[in-house]
Amino acid sequence: DAGITQSPRHKVTETGTPVTLRCHQTENHRYMYWYRQDPGHGLRLIHYSYGVKDTDKGEVSDGYSVSRSKTEDFLLTLESATSSQTSVYFCAISESRGTSGSNEQFFGPGTRLTVL
Amino acid sequence: SQKIEQNSEALNIQEGKTATLTCNYTNYSPAYLQWYRQDPGRGPVFLLLIRENEKEKRKERLKVTFDTTLKQSLFHITASQPADSATYLCALGNTGANNLFFGTGTRLTVIP
Repeated sequence: DAGITQSPRHKVTETGTPVTLRCHQTENHRYMYWYRQDPGHGLRLIHYSYGVKDTDKGEVSDGYSVSRSKTEDFLLTLESATSSQTSVYFCAISESRGTSGSNEQFFGPGTRLTVL
Repeated sequence: SQKIEQNSEALNIQEGKTATLTCNYTNYSPAYLQWYRQDPGRGPVFLLLIRENEKEKRKERLKVTFDTTLKQSLFHITASQPADSATYLCALGNTGANNLFFGTGTRLTVIP
């Protein structure tokens, strides 16, 4: 998985609790992304980062926050988890974006989150 | 907002035949289109990219076409093998944009 790890790989939590998912890369890629994947919706972008401390919202950012204090780590936080946030979460990295590069993205193995 | 449709949720094909998967889009003008493969329980893996000014791209047994008039991409796997069984995702991107928009995927099963 191209030097990308996600932790935890599985998590079960209760509604209202905070949850933090971690993505760690060893590729030194500039861009990092968090997606969620749900049946019938495909992959949807939650937040992305284009550098240390530089982040922006994606398509489905409500209820999520992110932080990137180091190039290699991108954290996704659910401040107060809800059942609608039960999903599989994927982190991805890319070296370039659409301007000059191909924005080929490399994905981590995913985190399966269940909110009861 | 943009809408991306992949022809069918599941496609079964006999080994050795050519599999053809379709990706249609509306309300968007992508600068490039990508195809990914995803196996169960794993993250997607990049396969091919085709840009808006390219009609066709090949890589080994894979061929991708891109018709910006029809707003459609076709993804072909020739001489299909059971190991090609997976879900295939198309993704659209644009110049200057950081994010990709993904289709829901087509689950391909190659029957021995």
